[in-house]
Amino acid sequence: DTAVSQTPKYLVTQMGNDKSIKCEQNLGHDTMYWYKQDSKKFLKIMFSYNNKELIINETVPNRFSPKSPDKAHLNLHINSLELGDSAVYFCASSHEEVRGSGYTFGSGTRLTVV
Amino acid sequence: GENVEQHPSTLSVQEGDSAVIKCTYSDSASNYFPWYKQELGKRPQLIIDIRSNVGEKKDQRIAVTLNKTAKHFSLHITETQPEDSAVYFCAAGAPGNTGKLIFGQGTTLQVKP
Repeated sequence: DTAVSQTPKYLVTQMGNDKSIKCEQNLGHDTMYWYKQDSKKFLKIMFSYNNKELIINETVPNRFSPKSPDKAHLNLHINSLELGDSAVYFCASSHEEVRGSGYTFGSGTRLTVV
Repeated sequence: GENVEQHPSTLSVQEGDSAVIKCTYSDSASNYFPWYKQELGKRPQLIIDIRSNVGEKKDQRIAVTLNKTAKHFSLHITETQPEDSAVYFCAAGAPGNTGKLIFGQGTTLQVKP
């Protein structure tokens, strides 16, 4: 009964490959986010969706494409993976009425590009 | 642009001592300031938050203070314990419809037994 779950937890892949990370939340939240945590632990927002609508799209290479089939799911697809994409990717969710507060993070996906 | 500066980047204290982590933010519209604790290999977890209509909030050994005029806020942990060792992140959020949080760079706190 994990609140925000991500799969896979670990992902090792070669440069140039395409990969996807999935996120699901069962909290009834309507806003979901993708954050990237680099090797220095810095957390930077990438995307946010509210009720399947993209509301935040930071300066992220267009090789990254989020998709939200419904408000409980937010997936991240990455094309043509590069070494610099290696990081931990966290999904998070929050409720519209207190949007931005009470983020619940997923357990993270550690992506290693070799 | 929006920015949150966090200091120090590392902090080492003896068990039982207090620890203070400070953050400053640039966006004067920010009105929500959460603190997250991230243990090694785990997800960030919310430990305390404060909104701009209050100056201080306390929860057991943890307290947060906010100075809106100076645009800075601080986390205070008293009677530190080894299990407090983790990376702590401050963040700032502004009103609007995005819910975006801007995070500080993180502080690695080590509590020595």
